[in-house]
Amino acid sequence: EAGVAQSPRYKIIEKRQSVAFWCNPISGHATLYWYQQILGQGPKLLIQFQNNGVVDDSQLPKDRFSAERLKGVDSTLKIQPAKLEDSAVYLCASSFYGSAYNEQFFGPGTRLTVL
Amino acid sequence: AQTVTQSQPEMSVQEAETVTLSCTYDTSENNYYLFWYKQPPSRQMILVIRQEAYKQQNATENRFSVNFQKAAKSFSLKISDSQLGDTAMYFCASRSEGGSEKLVFGKGTKLTVNP
Repeated sequence: EAGVAQSPRYKIIEKRQSVAFWCNPISGHATLYWYQQILGQGPKLLIQFQNNGVVDDSQLPKDRFSAERLKGVDSTLKIQPAKLEDSAVYLCASSFYGSAYNEQFFGPGTRLTVL
Repeated sequence: AQTVTQSQPEMSVQEAETVTLSCTYDTSENNYYLFWYKQPPSRQMILVIRQEAYKQQNATENRFSVNFQKAAKSFSLKISDSQLGDTAMYFCASRSEGGSEKLVFGKGTKLTVNP
């Protein structure tokens, strides 16, 4: 089966610009996650969706970050305006709700560089 | 809140030898899961092995096994017969059962397998 797809793979922007990332989860996976992985650190959850509803966005900087998951499938994560400290890899993951371990499958990530 | 600590930023091992990566965690939950994820250079994160906290038996997956010490809140990963393809970042992660299913990651250990 196809894995989690993300685009773009790389993005370079100037600070104060806007950027958007796209994620397509594995077919049938109701739960979708966005993680931020800063260089030298482990991933940190930004937001979790269950279908098209938000389960956890407690660590999402809501003054500049937004995310949506229309129709409970694809998702976009937006940063507006970007700051230098937003340079990171943004990982999307999905899981099949109700499975024994709710194993999360990760996409390849989008590497964002803010200059 | 859950926390995960990996105290070894980098490790190296010779091909065919055995290496152990350390992880400690803290949680107030009674039921939780522990994971080791592998992130090869420029490739996506994949699950290596998982352990349910209520199971006393240590999990094993081929050359990978864990030493789960619940009272000490320790969860180490042993890789036997190391292969060049094992070169990667290894992340220890925890997840509580129920509620938000977010993974809480450690900072990772960079493992290099030398020929």
